[in-house]
Amino acid sequence: EADIYQTPRYLVIGTGKKITLECSQTMGHDKMYWYQQDPGMELHLIHYSYGVNSTEKGDLSSESTVSRIRTEHFPLTLESARPSHTSQYLCASSEETSGANVLTFGAGSRLTVL
Amino acid sequence: KNQVEQSPQSLIILEGKNCTLQCNYTVSPFSNLRWYKQDTGRGPVSLTIMTFSENTKSNGRYTATLDADTKQSSLHITASQLSDSASYICVVSDRGSTLGRLYFGRGTQLTVWP
Repeated sequence: EADIYQTPRYLVIGTGKKITLECSQTMGHDKMYWYQQDPGMELHLIHYSYGVNSTEKGDLSSESTVSRIRTEHFPLTLESARPSHTSQYLCASSEETSGANVLTFGAGSRLTVL
Repeated sequence: KNQVEQSPQSLIILEGKNCTLQCNYTVSPFSNLRWYKQDTGRGPVSLTIMTFSENTKSNGRYTATLDADTKQSSLHITASQLSDSASYICVVSDRGSTLGRLYFGRGTQLTVWP
């Protein structure tokens, strides 16, 4: 069972609200990621972190921001949610195994902005 | 352009039958290829990971093959069960960056009927 937890699992909010999606892992992994996934589409990397105080933007432009103050915690924040932010957000962490970067995903946070 | 294409987009089979899912990629350079299973409303879970030198790997009723020359992979599911109903995602990693950038396919949606 994956030791990476996301909350909330489901969130429905109105336009303009500030939201934070929480992600925590207990595996001690340095690398953590946020992906965005729409139905029937591939996962898109929006943020990643190599370790504490390290954050980088991913391939897909996103209005969200992230922070990495503790190894185990990688929250994602939207200052002002819009309907275009409606999507599933997946958090992951990884470790090197036999030369490969193996990802463990959380269960996801499904965000709906009305 | 680095891409990962999966086929078919969706597949319906009867319980107990076998099936094969396909993945073609153009990612170069190549480091490894992974197959993930994603249940509805959940995060992806790793099934197999294969490096350049491996051409087949099994995980229970799941067998993945890799032909690095033709840049093709397949995932064969034997004696399907209702719990196999999920999206199966092919992911290819390059070796051009420290993290090994990941390229995701859109997945094959498998439905197993009783």
